[in-house]
Amino acid sequence: DVKVTQSSRYLVKRTGEKVFLECVQDMDHENMFWYRQDPGLGLRLIYFSYDVKMKEKGDIPEGYSVSREKKERFSLILESASTNQTSMYLCASSLPRTPYEQYFGPGTRLTVT
Amino acid sequence: GNSVTQMEGPVTLSEEAFLTINCTYTATGYPSLFWYVQYPGEGLQLLLKATKADDKGSNKGFEATYRKETTSFHLEKGSVQVSDSAVYFCALIRLDTGNQFYFGTGTSLTVIP
Repeated sequence: DVKVTQSSRYLVKRTGEKVFLECVQDMDHENMFWYRQDPGLGLRLIYFSYDVKMKEKGDIPEGYSVSREKKERFSLILESASTNQTSMYLCASSLPRTPYEQYFGPGTRLTVT
Repeated sequence: GNSVTQMEGPVTLSEEAFLTINCTYTATGYPSLFWYVQYPGEGLQLLLKATKADDKGSNKGFEATYRKETTSFHLEKGSVQVSDSAVYFCALIRLDTGNQFYFGTGTSLTVIP
């Protein structure tokens, strides 16, 4: 059974903190993605990575960075959390030949106070 | 630019009713179209896909036809079940320009017995 896991389901952080969201997949997928999901806005791509140490900006990268040191792990970093980054964060992975078949984790609901 | 617009919810239906969730898109080039489903407490998962005009995607009794003339990809099911209660997302991807998805805002469906 394929699996994408995210380190926390719920997280509460204070404004200005550095926040790490971790995602691990066990499917040996090259592609990994980070989205945020907000009511009325759907899913928006923050960053994606198509290989270890490779990354590309998505639609809304401002205020975020990512790290991919190992194939199975893709981390999203909020350098200085702000209240407008309160959201549901979704991680996904896929094979390069089937980029549309993304496997999603359950999500991390982050609240920044 | 690329975008997806889907009907707002929530949608509430009785068991065995007919379901239609509308989705229209804007895209340059030749997008591929998808429906994803998110069951309560779970990650998004691919429901069906259509990679070119006039293709029909189908899965679990759901169908959607890629109609280029109306730029639409409406999701239909002839007889819904309580287990179909979920949030449905329409999405497109431009495979010729990279792996970036554009998701709709999601439509929540509740099926009552």
